[in-house]
Amino acid sequence: DGGITQSPKYLFRKEGQNVTLSCEQNLNHDAMYWYRQDPGQGLRLIYYSQIVNDFQKGDIAEGYSVSREKKESFPLTVTSAQKNPTAFYLCASRISWDRGNQPQHFGDGTRLSIL
Amino acid sequence: AQSVTQLDSHVSVSEGTPVLLRCNYSSSYSPSLFWYVQHPNKGLQLLLKYTSAATLVKGINGFEAEFKKSETSFHLTKPSAHMSDAAEYFCVVSEVNYGQNFVFGPGTRLSVLP
Repeated sequence: DGGITQSPKYLFRKEGQNVTLSCEQNLNHDAMYWYRQDPGQGLRLIYYSQIVNDFQKGDIAEGYSVSREKKESFPLTVTSAQKNPTAFYLCASRISWDRGNQPQHFGDGTRLSIL
Repeated sequence: AQSVTQLDSHVSVSEGTPVLLRCNYSSSYSPSLFWYVQHPNKGLQLLLKYTSAATLVKGINGFEAEFKKSETSFHLTKPSAHMSDAAEYFCVVSEVNYGQNFVFGPGTRLSVLP
């Protein structure tokens, strides 16, 4: 079945450490997204990619970086510059960035905690 | 610019009674509207979508929503709540001509009491 796979499900970060969250999709979607979700809050957009080799900052990009070298993959790196990284991270994809009537499809998330 | 208001942060119903989760939106153009459900520690699952076809939209698990342009509303309903419906629900607006804007509401937590 087609879908989005996020790994790992749980991740722990030490002080000063960079960590990378994986997101892979086999839906053949052009657009991919990373969101951060804090307890009791909605989703906030970190980065998005409209197509391979392109990505744009979202609302809360500081302390994060991404790459989009392959259509299927959109990894998110949480750098040491992100001082409050504890959150639930969700990856999503959409068939095309400009198809406003199409939904986003989500992975099952990665929960990141500070050690 | 688009925006979404979910009028209740928490709704509590008894099992077997109707569910109503309210959503109002603001949009400059022709909106598409979506409802998603999120169970604890899981991703978001699409319940239903409105994309300028029929104004009454049926989704999965017995949910439906009605698009009312005059009221700028897209409320989610279900005739009879089940314990498994307890979750967080998000209303989303997207403008057809601005596909990169996919704006989430703050969410409504639904509790279902036995």
